[in-house]
Amino acid sequence: AQSVTQLGSHVSVSEGALVLLRCNYSSSVPPYLFWYVQYPNQGLQLLLKYTSAATLVKGINGFEAEFKKSETSFHLTKPSAHMSDAAEYFCAVSQSGGSYIPTFGRGTSLIVHP
Amino acid sequence: DGGITQSPKYLFRKEGQNVTLSCEQNLNHDAMYWYRQDPGQGLRLIYYSQIVNDFQKGDIAEGYSVSREKKESFPLTVTSAQKNPTAFYLCASTREGTVNTGELFFGEGSRLTVL
Repeated sequence: AQSVTQLGSHVSVSEGALVLLRCNYSSSVPPYLFWYVQYPNQGLQLLLKYTSAATLVKGINGFEAEFKKSETSFHLTKPSAHMSDAAEYFCAVSQSGGSYIPTFGRGTSLIVHP
Repeated sequence: DGGITQSPKYLFRKEGQNVTLSCEQNLNHDAMYWYRQDPGQGLRLIYYSQIVNDFQKGDIAEGYSVSREKKESFPLTVTSAQKNPTAFYLCASTREGTVNTGELFFGEGSRLTVL
């Protein structure tokens, strides 16, 4: 079984401030982990993924995430927020050696203030 | 360029009518998925298909039907039995086999509104 919890349905930051979006997962086997971004009325786009290589993963648009097995976390960060980062962000988990069908969190809406 | 095409982008339906949402991919992916998105509820899996002529129910399949007659196509029918069909529907695909990690490629979505 697998599940994802995203803490905070909304996160508000000022432009230039640190972005931190939290994701905790549960998985009975080593997981694959993903962050996706969604802009209004569009599909989801992959930001980054962890597939058992380096635990610090760099993605597009300056985002990165760190896989911490002991904390079962995969938090998404960006050092300096930009207005264009305002969007919905989804964390997802799938299971290596399994059916690979991912489970998604409920999403976190990132609001960026000027 | 390869990708997933969903149509229509916006659709309005009267209560009691069936409606079919189209999903076509030219990525040569084996597996295709339909998700429903409602505000604050994330993505919920409706149906998925890992090979042609075979598909499985997801978590919320009641009131929906699908077919997979071709590798490239995975249409979703929202039937009159679906009690609350107004939502944003997302189609996705992925490769199967040893390279599969569960990474999904998404279409642009179809927004269905029942009047």
